[in-house]
Amino acid sequence: EPEVTQTPSHQVTQMGQEVILRCVPISNHLYFYWYRQILGQKVEFLVSFYNNEISEKSEIFDDQFSVERPDGSNFTLKIRSTKLEDSAMYFCASNGPYGSASGTGELFFGEGSRLTVL
Amino acid sequence: GNSVTQMEGPVTLSEEAFLTINCTYTATGYPSLFWYVQYPGEGLQLLLKATKADDKGSNKGFEATYRKETTSFHLEKGSVQVSDSAVYFCALSGNTNAGKSTFGDGTTLTVKP
Repeated sequence: EPEVTQTPSHQVTQMGQEVILRCVPISNHLYFYWYRQILGQKVEFLVSFYNNEISEKSEIFDDQFSVERPDGSNFTLKIRSTKLEDSAMYFCASNGPYGSASGTGELFFGEGSRLTVL
Repeated sequence: GNSVTQMEGPVTLSEEAFLTINCTYTATGYPSLFWYVQYPGEGLQLLLKATKADDKGSNKGFEATYRKETTSFHLEKGSVQVSDSAVYFCALSGNTNAGKSTFGDGTTLTVKP
């Protein structure tokens, strides 16, 4: 069964360093998302991406964050200068166009990348 | 904007007990509704969904019915098992392309043998 894959599973970094989290969405999906979950707290939307541009972003997704789809398979989240409060689990998700078999709004999540900022 | 309110946890039950986790929502239009489950140390996975009013989603013995009149999507299971211990998230998605999902705060369920 197709799945969303994320790397790394865990990254430890120093405050102020740049971090890139990588995701390979399901191959025929068209919409891509990043969510984050601070330990024990709710799942928060960061950004959605379609047709090589950001569709929507939350207040959390400030100028320190960026997303990119550098090739036909990868979808990356970059944090330019990490802060302590960026420590969280970051989830990538994807889905298909609404009305398709994978487009009822259901999100297909990866296993997450745990980011620890020291 | 859209919002989801979930019953606060944590919830602790004995094996074979009946489970209800309440979820209500606020949304414009006709959203799709979901329950996701997160087992310890894992990502989120879809448990069940309902895309229109009066639909009942079901999976692994869990059920939830989309009640438009009460804007609710409560999760139920008749007899829980230890393996059901996890965090459960209620969520909604607007029925548009690239529509983000809005999640509730999550309810931690612990089932004791």
